[in-house]
Amino acid sequence: DQQVKQNSPSLSVQEGRISILNCDYTNSMFDYFLWYKKYPAEGPTFLISISSIKDKNEDGRFTVFLNKSAKHLSLHIVPSQPGDSAVYFCAANNEKLTFGTGTRLTIIP
Amino acid sequence: GAGVSQTPSNKVTEKGKYVELRCDPISGHTALYWYRQSLGQGPEFLIYFQGTGAADDSGLPNDRFFAVRPEGSVSTLKIQRTERGDSAVYLCASSLLGANGYTFGSGTRLTVV
Repeated sequence: DQQVKQNSPSLSVQEGRISILNCDYTNSMFDYFLWYKKYPAEGPTFLISISSIKDKNEDGRFTVFLNKSAKHLSLHIVPSQPGDSAVYFCAANNEKLTFGTGTRLTIIP
Repeated sequence: GAGVSQTPSNKVTEKGKYVELRCDPISGHTALYWYRQSLGQGPEFLIYFQGTGAADDSGLPNDRFFAVRPEGSVSTLKIQRTERGDSAVYLCASSLLGANGYTFGSGTRLTVV
């Protein structure tokens, strides 16, 4: 039973363009949502988060949007840079983090 | 230390053997988590410690898996009678009490042959 879903296993975006990564969840008890970025042979690193009482949080090139009625969140990266190429995990918190399966983002120079 | 440290970084073991994976969390972090990541999947929750006690061990797949944190700092994940299906990256994370985000270590890649 996958409570957090990332339906796109991979995404390729031209450098300088916007990258949009999507995430859906099923459990309405989640109260906090996070995005993690992972490079090969490293652990996931925290990128940005949003509380369930907000609908948007922005940090530099990264913005996370939350649509509670649709149980959907998205991560926007603009402009995309080659160093953004990594696997991105969506995670939701309800006493512990539940992760999606990840989206591999490739930025094309 | 500055980050979460996991040792060994890689472990190859024969089917049926016993293994121990170690996690050294960030100093002062009271919460410690173990996750397992299989190929093509996201991290899956195994167990969570608050101090010395296991607050939630609902993710441990069976009784071959056990974890301890005797002094509320370093934790050891123990796997008995390893099976090939146990092969995965085992991730440890720590956080301050009540924090929403965790800091992860680089993981231990376990391969059971």
